Amino acid sequence: AQTVTQSQPEMSVQEAETVTLSCTYDTSESNYYLFWYKQPPSRQMILVIRQEAYKQQNATENRFSVNFQKAAKSFSLKISDSQLGDTAMYFCAFMKQGGSEKLVFGKGTKLTVNP
Amino acid sequence: GAVVSQHPSRVICKSGTSVKIECRSLDFQATTMFWYRQFPKKSLMLMATSNEGSKATYEQGVEKDKFLINHASLTLSTLTVTSAHPEDSSFYICSAPLAGGPFFGPGTRLTVL
Repeated sequence: AQTVTQSQPEMSVQEAETVTLSCTYDTSESNYYLFWYKQPPSRQMILVIRQEAYKQQNATENRFSVNFQKAAKSFSLKISDSQLGDTAMYFCAFMKQGGSEKLVFGKGTKLTVNP
Repeated sequence: GAVVSQHPSRVICKSGTSVKIECRSLDFQATTMFWYRQFPKKSLMLMATSNEGSKATYEQGVEKDKFLINHASLTLSTLTVTSAHPEDSSFYICSAPLAGGPFFGPGTRLTVL
């Protein structure tokens, strides 16, 4: 079975600064996807970024980028130029490629961006 | 814009009653949808996989007779919490696979009095 570990229950950052959220996972699968989801106080789950395991290039979406280290099974999220609207819970998630598309989530990191 | 909708967004019911939550895929067909449960300040826990045209697949420990799932069409899955009790109070979220996703509905907050 796959497991996802987020070792930082809470983090804070000053507005405009950069912060990195950690995520490690354990799997015996070769082909899979990794995700970061944002859950603001509204509780709507918002897809931030997605990485295919077969791709060596790290995914980027505007201010959000990942550092994907497949051998180390590490998938960290970097948020640049943090904004107040980035304050939210962030969940790292794993999905096996092929078969059902169910997600395995980490416990989450609560990020607070301070003005 | 939103690709998955849920209804209702919140519901309060009395203990012993049943509550139905709808999950719809907007402008796309979903042969599979997923139902998650989230307790306050906790992560999402997969409850079951809803399959169009066949029975739902439940995760270990989830009571299939309490949480009835029906995938009525290619755009609609429903979760019915039967004989609800206060311990069923939670936040229920559905998701559907779509290229670039999966994507989630906005969730339903259930409170059982």
